Amino acid sequence: GAVVSQHPSWVICKSGTSVKIECRSLDFQATTMFWYRQFPKQSLMLMATSNEGSKATYEQGVEKDKFLINHASLTLSTLTVTSAHPEDSSFYICSAPRKGPGANVLTFGAGSRLTVL
Amino acid sequence: AQSVTQLGSHVSVSEGALVLLRCNYSSSVPPYLFWYVQYPNQGLQLLLKYTSAATLVKGINGFEAEFKKSETSFHLTKPSAHMRDAAEYFCAVSAGYSSASKIIFGSGTRLSIRP
Repeated sequence: GAVVSQHPSWVICKSGTSVKIECRSLDFQATTMFWYRQFPKQSLMLMATSNEGSKATYEQGVEKDKFLINHASLTLSTLTVTSAHPEDSSFYICSAPRKGPGANVLTFGAGSRLTVL
Repeated sequence: AQSVTQLGSHVSVSEGALVLLRCNYSSSVPPYLFWYVQYPNQGLQLLLKYTSAATLVKGINGFEAEFKKSETSFHLTKPSAHMRDAAEYFCAVSAGYSSASKIIFGSGTRLSIRP
């Protein structure tokens, strides 16, 4: 079945540094990928829609200069948290839609837990 | 615009008992509805989806959900709970079929199973 690989699964960094998270669709092409953020014991908040070959679409309130998204190929999207601060610590999850009977079905990566010291 | 409301952030049932997780939706167009499960520190796994074919949808692990338009509900049920069902469950709604259609998640319900 469809697999989305997310890397790294966890990362600890110092405040002020940048962190890149990769999201790969392993056995299908994804012209669109979604990036979510999840705080402890809360739901997933859609941050942005990553579009292959064009600019990402950010949700209201999400800083595009803070969370850089690049979708350079049909199987890879990256999220870079720039100048990370402790408040950016969170669980970041990517997903890619694959066509299923009647509707798109999102395949999720396993998530990346970011801790900013 | 679409939204979902999950009633009850935490549900606790005994092993073998009925599981009922509630979800109500709001949508300006005929919705596509989903239930996802999340185990600790993992991504989400699709349990089942409603795509306007049949109102009673059967999913994996013995779960099912019924779409009730008159009640704008899509509650998730399982006749007999297992310990392995303990997880976070999310109801979600989408307005469209295209790959760019956003899926909006509810706030989640944590299911605990008592021995």
